[in-house]
Amino acid sequence: GQQLNQSPQSMFIQEGEDVSMNCTSSSIFNTWLWYKQDPGEGPVLLIALYKAGELTSNGRLTAQFGITRKDSFLNISASIPSDVGIYFCAGHANAGNMLTFGGGTRLMVKP
Amino acid sequence: NAGVTQTPKFRILKIGQSMTLQCAQDMNHNYMYWYRQDPGMGLKLIYYSVGAGITDKGEVPNGYNVSRSTTEDFPLRLELAAPSQTSVYFCASSYARGLGYTFGSGTRLTVV
Repeated sequence: GQQLNQSPQSMFIQEGEDVSMNCTSSSIFNTWLWYKQDPGEGPVLLIALYKAGELTSNGRLTAQFGITRKDSFLNISASIPSDVGIYFCAGHANAGNMLTFGGGTRLMVKP
Repeated sequence: NAGVTQTPKFRILKIGQSMTLQCAQDMNHNYMYWYRQDPGMGLKLIYYSVGAGITDKGEVPNGYNVSRSTTEDFPLRLELAAPSQTSVYFCASSYARGLGYTFGSGTRLTVV
């Protein structure tokens, strides 16, 4: 089945630093999504991308849909303590009914 | 709007006991899903449904059953609880495939 490789698996950064994470796939996706899971909660949708090359921002977060359709990137600028959590990428291809989720990037921010 | 509501939030089961995890959504979504998340791990799909009366297996269906008698509800049944089923269970829904999922806040299950 389809697999998403998300990296890094975890990051421990200083408050104020910028963060980058990415997802790669061996197959093409038509939709890329980024979710954040706060501790003890369910994932919440941050950004949705529907077109190759698309660059979309949500506050300090910026995500890009890779031109090859096989990857996506999420950047967080000027991190703050409330950015702590697990970030999941998810992709959707034409076939099938479900999203494919990456393994998550655990972000820890030191004040 | 409540979104996706899961009950209970926490539960401790003894080995061999059974229970039903409840999930309800009020967004008139056709698609509903059950995932489990083991500590430090990603999401694994257990079962999903594309509409009332239709369910199908996901990646890790063994030990679980589901039903979808209404659009709103998608309960997950554990018949003979095992320690390997200790996990956090998330229900999600979407209006159509390819659209972002709305997740519930999860049920934390411990089997001892």
